[in-house]
Amino acid sequence: DAKTTQPTSMDCAEGRAANLPCNHSTISGNEYVYWYRQIHSQGPQYIIHGLKNNETNEMASLIITEDRKSSTLILPHATLRDTAVYYCIVRPLNDYKLSFGAGTTVTVRA
Amino acid sequence: SQTIHQWPATLVQPVGSPLSLECTVEGTSNPNLYWYRQAAGRGLQLLFYSVGIGQISSEVPQNLSASRPQDRQFILSSKKLLLSDSGFYLCAWSRLAVGQLFFGEGSRLTVL
Repeated sequence: DAKTTQPTSMDCAEGRAANLPCNHSTISGNEYVYWYRQIHSQGPQYIIHGLKNNETNEMASLIITEDRKSSTLILPHATLRDTAVYYCIVRPLNDYKLSFGAGTTVTVRA
Repeated sequence: SQTIHQWPATLVQPVGSPLSLECTVEGTSNPNLYWYRQAAGRGLQLLFYSVGIGQISSEVPQNLSASRPQDRQFILSSKKLLLSDSGFYLCAWSRLAVGQLFFGEGSRLTVL
């Protein structure tokens, strides 16, 4: 049961902002949106999460639409090291499990 | 600070042999612990999770098992490996009721 839909792949230019979309049209009121990324041959890395307000940290910004049915992860200045698979996940805060889908393969090109 | 370690990093095992992967967490107590597997070119599959000593939940029926003999120790085992058990195994931990998972370095298993 896919709770999120992401593009399979996308390219972006080094130094430019990368905008990664995620559709979660069936999200429930108690479900948060989480973003992780996985660089090749490494474990996934937490990026950011949010409920309904936009969030920003040192890695990225998360923009959640007012109806919460979609979100965008923004990498403000993409570098070659940002090349990875990016996962958008929705889950309730108190759910122990975190299920990963196929994600978006992001390739940053020089 | 909290750290997570898993070993071995790589191993090559024959079909039918046993398996033991170990994961330990330092710097925190009563963590939630997880085992994930990633087959070549595939996504991450949750295998087991544990919310306390001796409490194991299995997500996918298979010939693997997990145990949590101590608060910060999580072990993945098999009595007889199959070719389909090959993959990248990842251990992770989280604090109670928090969705931020911290992953280990991974163990790459090749079954021949």
